[in-house]
Amino acid sequence: QQQVKQSPQSLIVQKGGISIINCAYENTAFDYFPWYQQFPGKGPALLIAIRPDVSEKKEGRFTISFNKSAKQFSLHIMDSQPGDSATYFCAVIRFGNEKLTFGTGTRLTIIP
Amino acid sequence: NAGVTQTPKFQVLKTGQSMTLQCAQDMNHNSMYWYRQDPGMGLRLIYYSASEGTTDKGEVPNGYNVSRLNKREFSLRLESAAPSQTSVYFCASSGHRGLDNQPQHFGDGTRLSIL
Repeated sequence: QQQVKQSPQSLIVQKGGISIINCAYENTAFDYFPWYQQFPGKGPALLIAIRPDVSEKKEGRFTISFNKSAKQFSLHIMDSQPGDSATYFCAVIRFGNEKLTFGTGTRLTIIP
Repeated sequence: NAGVTQTPKFQVLKTGQSMTLQCAQDMNHNSMYWYRQDPGMGLRLIYYSASEGTTDKGEVPNGYNVSRLNKREFSLRLESAAPSQTSVYFCASSGHRGLDNQPQHFGDGTRLSIL
């Protein structure tokens, strides 16, 4: 069963624009909502994460917005740069369970 | 600072052959994981080990076995490879249970093709 639905599957954004990737989850028992960034030929790496008692978290150009009632969270990349071109995965985890459940990924391409 | 090291990086097998994928971490992490990544499906958990001596099934365990050899090493074995197991396999590790800010650290993957 798909516990985390991620969209869009692919995204092309002009340099300097805002990239937005969305995720929706089904189970309300999750405790932690990370986003991972993956470059070709490499493993995923944690980019930014949020706990459900916070509605927004910002780290540099990257922001997570979290809507607990709608069971949705999104990644915003401000002033997108060609170096941001990568595949992004949202994920959910429940503490004590330790199993990350990933979304299906978004391939982001930033064009000049 | 090696982090999580996976070997081999690439492998081609014939249907029915067996193979063990190796993973080692040098961060003194308790938990280790094996995922497979397929196009359009994200990463799916195969098996995980919360601590040395324990292993548990993930979402897609069929056709695989694992061994937590010690705290550093966690291997994944395909006893009789099938074309459906063609995938990129990632090993990951993380720190103490129950703490946030303990992200899973991933290796760079093993690209496995079954002919």
